[in-house]
This record gives sequence, C-alpha cells and structure tokens, in this order.
Amino acid sequence: DSGVTQTPKHLITATGQRVTLRCSPRSGDLSVYWYQQSLDQGLQFLIQYYNGEERAKGNILERFSAQQFPDLHSELNLSSLELGDSALYFCASSVGGRLYNEQFFGPGTRLTVL
Amino acid sequence: AQKVTQAQTEISVVEKEDVTLDCVYETRDTTYYLFWYKQPPSGELVFLIRRNSFDEQNEISGRYSWNFQKSTSSFNFTITASQVVDSAVYFCARTNNNDMRFGAGTRLTVKP
Repeated sequence: DSGVTQTPKHLITATGQRVTLRCSPRSGDLSVYWYQQSLDQGLQFLIQYYNGEERAKGNILERFSAQQFPDLHSELNLSSLELGDSALYFCASSVGGRLYNEQFFGPGTRLTVL
Repeated sequence: AQKVTQAQTEISVVEKEDVTLDCVYETRDTTYYLFWYKQPPSGELVFLIRRNSFDEQNEISGRYSWNFQKSTSSFNFTITASQVVDSAVYFCARTNNNDMRFGAGTRLTVKP
C-alpha cells in the first residue's frame, strides 16, 4: 500500500458526460501527479500540482482539468467524454516538487466510457 | 517528441533464468532522469530506480541491476535468477523535469 488513495475505483459513464476523479496524497507529500494509461496511448503524464500550484503539464487535453486543494487532495475533471477516454487514471504523490522525485502511485481509477 | 523505446513487447522465461529488459531513449537535454517502474498484475505502479544523466554508474539491488550507457542512450534492466513474482509489465521512463515520457512497456512472464 503506497498510502495514496484514489476514488472511485471504477467509473462507468456515457459519452458527453463529465466525471471527477479524486486523489489523496501520502501524508506529508506536497506534489500530486496525474497519469493516464490506455491501450492506445500507453502510459502518459497529464499534469502535476505542487502545494496547490500547477507545476508541470504533459499531454492533458483541453477537455480535462485538475486542481489541488488546500488540504492537498487533488481532483481531475474530465468533460465531454469520448470513447477514447476510457482508461486507467493514476494519481501519484511525492514530497518534492520535481518530476524526477520518487513518486508513489495510487491504485488507479478505471474509467469506462460507453 | 523525445521518445522512450522498449522494443521487447513480451518476454517469457523459466524461473531462475536471467533476463534483460531493454530501454532506449531520445533526448536533447543535458540534464535528464531515467526510471524503471514495475506494474504487477494487481495494477499499481511501483518505482524501482531513478538515475540522473550525470551518473553512469551501474547499480545493483539484490537480483536487479541496471546498466546506463549514455553513448548508446540506453538504460537496460537485468533480473538475475528470475522468480515467478517478477512477472509484471515493466516501464522505462525519462524526464527533463518539464515532461515525463514512458516506453510502451515490456510484459515479463516468469514460468515456474
């Protein structure tokens, strides 16, 4: 158990809908990272927040947005969902604010878009 | 895009065999970091190792060893005396601290 929690574990929704994925980092970690793992695109870095501020941005679509709250939990919002958004979404956390910091991954949220 | 290539899609070995997973990366950066992650059947990603571009020393951790060669842009991972519990998908990744790129992964199956 990495100490990173993600909810929900599974999510099934329809095209065009909007969903919110939630991540709670390990106690003491200030950075949160979001990743997408799909059969088509593989594992992709989406975005990083450090202590509430966006720190690095990867292949995140404009339909997706994220934020980190004062209690350091983070939410990833996915809107206008398409079939291709079906994937496993991982959250990770680290103490430091650099992408090269050792990251601890949560169990993931499996999103299915029908 | 500065790619990370893991040419081996799947590898199957018998327990106690040694196995090497290959990783080749592209970069225009002077400073960068390389990683290996393990994704067992349970699905979570587990950090194995990080190397920075200035440290080409090979590293050994138990049955695991890593060979970093800047001259060939490779960061290969060897498991000695493989065990069934090593069965997983292994990902190589690179970051320049602005972005993180992963290889497609190598699925390792260790048969008893």
